[in-house]
Amino acid sequence: AQTVTQSQPEMSVQEAETVTLSCTYDTSESDYYLFWYKQPPSRQMILVIRQEAYKQQNATENRFSVNFQKAAKSFSLKISDSQLGDAAMYFCAYRSPRGNTPLVFGKGTRLSVIA
Amino acid sequence: SQTIHQWPATLVQPVGSPLSLECTVEGTSNPNLYWYRQAAGRGLQLLFYSVGIGQISSEVPQNLSASRPQDRQFILSSKKLLLSDSGFYLCACDRGPGNTIYFGEGSWLTVV
Repeated sequence: AQTVTQSQPEMSVQEAETVTLSCTYDTSESDYYLFWYKQPPSRQMILVIRQEAYKQQNATENRFSVNFQKAAKSFSLKISDSQLGDAAMYFCAYRSPRGNTPLVFGKGTRLSVIA
Repeated sequence: SQTIHQWPATLVQPVGSPLSLECTVEGTSNPNLYWYRQAAGRGLQLLFYSVGIGQISSEVPQNLSASRPQDRQFILSSKKLLLSDSGFYLCACDRGPGNTIYFGEGSWLTVV
C-alpha cells in the first residue's frame, strides 16, 4: 500500500520569506497524482497544487511551487513571499490512477508565519 | 466546478444518541463520494467511500455507517455515539482517479 510521510510536524517562516515543506511517498506504481492541500483555521481543505507523475515539469500556482523528484519519491512544496494568510496545516496526498482508490494523506505540517 | 454542502456545521450530542450528517454535491453527476474524519491535532482518516448509489466501502471498522440514497447525497450515521466519535468530519467528492478531490466545509461533532 502507498504511504505518504511528512517529516516536519511544524514549521515557521518570517513574512515575505520562502519556506519549503517536505513530503516523501512510497509506491510501486509508475503513474500517479500528487497533491498539496491547505487547511486554515476554518478547517476546510483547500487544494493548493497538483502534480501528475508523468509530467516532468514542476507544477506552479502563483507563489506556490513544487519540487517533484520522481526517482527519489519526493514532492516538496515551496511557498515564496510568505503571507500571514499562509498560516495553516498543509497536507501532502497521493492518489493512484487505478480504479476509484481514494487519497492517501500524510499527517500534515503546521506552518506558522511570523510577522 | 462542483460544490459540496455539509450540515450541520456544528453538533453537540450526548453519548448513546444517534447521529446523521448529510452531504450533498452540486455541479456534477455520478461523483465518487467520501467521508473523512479528523481527530483533534491529527491527520485525515478515510471512513467510507462510494462510487455509486447504494455502493459503500468501509475503510475502518467502527461505530459509524454510511449510505448513499441518491446520486449526489451521502449520509454518515450512527445509532449510538461514543465519546471517541468526536471530531471533524469532512465530505469530499471527485469524478474519478485522474481528478482532484474537493472537500466540503466540514462538520464539528462533539460527543459529551
